[in-house]
Amino acid sequence: AQTVTQSQPEMSVQEAETVTLSCTYDTSESNYYLFWYKQPPSRQMILVIRQEAYKQQNATENRFSVNFQKAAKSFSLKISDSQLGDTAMYFCAFSQGGSEKLVFGKGTKLTVNP
Amino acid sequence: SQTIHQWPATLVQPVGSPLSLECTVEGTSNPNLYWYRQAAGRGLQLLFYSVGIGQISSEVPQNLSASRPQDRQFILSSKKLLLSDSGFYLCAWRQGAGQPQHFGDGTRLSIL
Repeated sequence: AQTVTQSQPEMSVQEAETVTLSCTYDTSESNYYLFWYKQPPSRQMILVIRQEAYKQQNATENRFSVNFQKAAKSFSLKISDSQLGDTAMYFCAFSQGGSEKLVFGKGTKLTVNP
Repeated sequence: SQTIHQWPATLVQPVGSPLSLECTVEGTSNPNLYWYRQAAGRGLQLLFYSVGIGQISSEVPQNLSASRPQDRQFILSSKKLLLSDSGFYLCAWRQGAGQPQHFGDGTRLSIL
């Protein structure tokens, strides 16, 4: 079964600085998709970024980018120019190609300090 | 554009009472639909998912059930709530393999 591991339960960063959240996953398949979701204190789950495993290029969405290392099964999220509004739980998620389900990590609580 | 509606936002129920949470999606057809539960400060637990009308897959045996009476409607129910049913319930939809799931705003359920 696929698993997703987020090894950092909590992190903090100063406003305007850069922070990287770690995620590793375990699969024997080659066709899959990876996601990062953000859950602010309001608890709404918001999609941050999506990566297709067959694409070499790392996905980017404004201040959010990923470092996708397929051989190492690593999918880290980099947040540049951190803002107070980035304070949230961040979940890494994995979806096997053709599967109906998402497998979520346990999350990393990020606090951006002024 | 697609939107997902989930209600109620907050619910306080006594132990042993019934439950009905509703979720509807607009702007798409034949979506996959999902119910998750999240305990405070914890990750998401998939409860049920549906790939079509009347088709329900249960991930965790428990006191809850789900139904999909219409293409874009997903209902989470219980006949008798337990204290352990307290939590934050999220509905989500997805269109197609490899696509992200999109979540509703959630329901905070407290059992007294």
